Amino acid sequence: KNQVEQSPQSLIILEGKNCTLQCNYTVSPFSNLRWYKQDTGRGPVSLTIMTFSENTKSNGRYTATLDADTKQSSLHITASQLSDSASYICVVRGSNDYKLSFGAGTTVTVRA
Amino acid sequence: NAGVTQTPKFQVLKTGQSMTLQCAQDMNHEYMSWYRQDPGMGLRLIHYSVGAGITDQGEVPNGYNVSRSTTEDFPLRLLSAAPSQTSVYFCASRVASGNTIYFGEGSWLTVV
Repeated sequence: KNQVEQSPQSLIILEGKNCTLQCNYTVSPFSNLRWYKQDTGRGPVSLTIMTFSENTKSNGRYTATLDADTKQSSLHITASQLSDSASYICVVRGSNDYKLSFGAGTTVTVRA
Repeated sequence: NAGVTQTPKFQVLKTGQSMTLQCAQDMNHEYMSWYRQDPGMGLRLIHYSVGAGITDQGEVPNGYNVSRSTTEDFPLRLLSAAPSQTSVYFCASRVASGNTIYFGEGSWLTVV
C-alpha cells in the first residue's frame, strides 16, 4: 500500500477560481513533506518543502499546509491561471532515510 | 546552468534489446537517482547513488543496472528490455544535506 495518498485524482476548475488538493501519508517517523508541480512532458519542480514544525508555507499563489498530528497536508491554489494546469505531486521523506515516498499526483486542469 | 540533463528524450526498443539512458548534472550534487513514472502511480525509485563509486538498489531495481564513475554522470542501463519497462524515466539529483531535488526532463521509453 502506498504510504502517500492524494485526492482527488483529477479536477477541473475555471480560471480565477481557487482549489485545494489533499495529501494523506503514513510515513513515520516523518522528516519533511514536499509539493512538486509537474507540467505535461516535463520533470517535477519543487513548490514547497515543510518540516515537522511548519504548519503553513506559501510560494506565490500556492499555499501548503501541514498537520503532522493527523498526517495530512493540503495545497491551495489561489486565483488559478491557465499555467497552473499540471500534475501536483506530494512527496514525503522519513527521518534518516534518503528514500522518498511519492503520491500518484493530482491532475489539475484550468479552463478559460 | 544546465541542471540535470537526460538523453534521449524518446526511445523505442524491441523486446530483448539493451540500451543506456544518460543522466548528467552540473551542480556537483552528491546524490543522484533514477525513478520511473507509470500512470496512476507515484514515482518509484529504481537505483540511487550517494557519491561516485557508490550505488544501491531502490524499490524496483530488477532489469536495470547503474554505475557512478564520476560525480556528474549516472547512466541507467536496461539489460534486456521488456514491455513492462515501458515508462517515463526521471533522473534526479540533490546535495547531500539538501532537501530540494532537481529532476531531469524525463525520458519516454516504449518497449514493443
